[in-house]
Amino acid sequence: DTAVSQTPKYLVTQMGNDKSIKCEQNLGHDTMYWYKQDSKKFLKIMFSYNNKELIINETVPNRFSPKSPDKAHLNLHINSLELGDSAVYFCASSREGNTEAFFGQGTRLTVV
Amino acid sequence: AQSVSQHNHHVILSEAASLELGCNYSYGGTVNLFWYVQYPGQHLQLLLKYFSGDPLVKGIKGFEAEFIKSKFSFNLRKPSVQWSDTAEYFCAVILYSSASKIIFGSGTRLSIRP
Repeated sequence: DTAVSQTPKYLVTQMGNDKSIKCEQNLGHDTMYWYKQDSKKFLKIMFSYNNKELIINETVPNRFSPKSPDKAHLNLHINSLELGDSAVYFCASSREGNTEAFFGQGTRLTVV
Repeated sequence: AQSVSQHNHHVILSEAASLELGCNYSYGGTVNLFWYVQYPGQHLQLLLKYFSGDPLVKGIKGFEAEFIKSKFSFNLRKPSVQWSDTAEYFCAVILYSSASKIIFGSGTRLSIRP
């Protein structure tokens, strides 16, 4: 059983489109995250949720909107995609906000 | 601003060589510390963690790290590397004052020559 699963694994889309990435964790964790990894492998936090409540929003453009329908799911919707959004997006979860995070397999987004 | 520094961007070693990757953080408060590994094309996996207690922590695959509070450092070591250790290694910090925010270093790419 995959602990943190995200879909899709690959996403190729044109500029201006709207797309969503889904994430689910079956670990019973309270905290979930979205991270962006750029082409230089740098990892930057985008959002963090605790029990469906937004805790951290790291100056991400408002074209990115996370949605947490329940504490096991944290989806990411991106409007009006731009070339600079191309990256690998990782979902993660942790038992509490100060414990280790478990990462999903990543979604490689390519905007053309 | 709080930050995590990994000084080595790319390290190249031969098999059986010893490894030490540096990590320093810039925060004086209580922290939890981690090392993650990312094998080519894969997701991040936890190698080891330090919350409290013995500052020398052992992780998976023969890795260990030492927390030196006075130096704000958490260096990763392995006595003898293998070709399969080729990967990207990330140091990470959680600040108690801003939980739910794991701050990652820029990563160190490790290449092992067979």
